[in-house]
Amino acid sequence: AQSVTQLGSHVSVSEGALVLLRCNYSSSVPPYLFWYVQYPNQGLQLLLKYTSAATLVKGINGFEAEFKKSETSFHLTKPSAHMSDAAEYFCAVTEGGYNKLIFGAGTRLAVHP
Amino acid sequence: SAVISQKPSRDICQRGTSLTIQCQVDSQVTMMFWYRQQPGQSLTLIATANQGSEATYESGFVIDKFPISRPNLTFSTLTVSNMSPEDSSIYLCSVSGETRLDTQYFGPGTRLTVL
Repeated sequence: AQSVTQLGSHVSVSEGALVLLRCNYSSSVPPYLFWYVQYPNQGLQLLLKYTSAATLVKGINGFEAEFKKSETSFHLTKPSAHMSDAAEYFCAVTEGGYNKLIFGAGTRLAVHP
Repeated sequence: SAVISQKPSRDICQRGTSLTIQCQVDSQVTMMFWYRQQPGQSLTLIATANQGSEATYESGFVIDKFPISRPNLTFSTLTVSNMSPEDSSIYLCSVSGETRLDTQYFGPGTRLTVL
């Protein structure tokens, strides 16, 4: 069965610093991978997704993620953090041949001045 | 992208009662799902809502506790039955096409507190 591990339940960065949120997956089939963001008291919004095309995926709000099969990783990055990036970030993988999502535990990103 | 609304947005309920949550989409969709997000935790899939047939439940979730209806391609309900404080969570519906290539869109969630 597929699974997702997000290293670091809390990450804190300074405004303008690099954001790196880690995600590793386990999958017996070629994975489709997603990053979602959840702002306080809101639902989930898709940041980006990998569906076996380009390994470097660009998303909204300046985020991008790189699929590395050899490392079974799909880390999320942003060159320069903004205060508005403070939120909970979830990595997810689809299970099997269906689009049922399996979520990681989430990483809460704090951005301080 | 689909626009999804949920009602109610939040509720406070007494132990032993039931609450029905509605999910409405602005266009016809193939797949509808219901997730639970317990306080401070990630999302767990409860079930897939199937139009015209019984929902498909994940391990640990049963129909008697979480009955689901899906009368058409734009609407679904989730009922949380005989509630206890452990049911206090955010319940989210999501929609997508039928393939893994299709993006899954989420509703704003229903925040449930059980006293």
